[in-house]
Amino acid sequence: EIVLTQSPATLSLSPGERATLSCGASQSVSSSYLAWYQQKPGLAPRLLIYGASSRATGIPDRFSGSGSGTDFTLTISRLEPEDFAVYYCQQYGSSPPWTFGQGTKVEIK
Amino acid sequence: EVQLLESGGGLVQPGGSLRLSCAASGFTFSTQAMSWVRQAPGKGLEWVSGLSGTGGTTYYADSVKGRFTISRDNSKNTLYLQMNSLRAEDTAVYYCAKLRGYNWNYYFDYWGQGTLVTVSS
Repeated sequence: EIVLTQSPATLSLSPGERATLSCGASQSVSSSYLAWYQQKPGLAPRLLIYGASSRATGIPDRFSGSGSGTDFTLTISRLEPEDFAVYYCQQYGSSPPWTFGQGTKVEIK
Repeated sequence: EVQLLESGGGLVQPGGSLRLSCAASGFTFSTQAMSWVRQAPGKGLEWVSGLSGTGGTTYYADSVKGRFTISRDNSKNTLYLQMNSLRAEDTAVYYCAKLRGYNWNYYFDYWGQGTLVTVSS
């Protein structure tokens, strides 16, 4: 089972700032099969990025994903008020079990 | 528009059973693999189970294997999760999610709103 470790646990930033979230895998994630999700309190997660760098339908271009192998990054170029939330990475590069990182909370500074 | 609507959650005693349902619309249900993901209160996301479009292939997390059964009725566009021998650690919001990808390299492209299962005496 691939273990995903996200850092930092909490990111305190102001609107308009750049956010950089990291996701490290315990072993290489094949074919960059890594996704990112956003979750706001009381709501279901929402798909942001798949294939490490492809934006899902309707996701603004201030969200971008990069990385390969064991190191992946989600970048939010300029934080909007609605971007303060918890973000999870998920690997799907092998048959189940699919695993999630423990999450990074982006909070208003 | 893809919609997933879970139901069936509630309070159940340890050792009890519960069946969750997920009514799907807005896509060709019978051709899509589906999954359940759960989230314990204040915790992160945990994949629970997955099922192919035909229902012929299933996967389970070790934490629920032998206790939970995933199934579907393609004539009703509905996904199910039968949960037996429930434990306190199964307490969570259970999300139904549509899978996308190829050959079981799947991510979750649409999620339901979730249904809360509480296991407590």
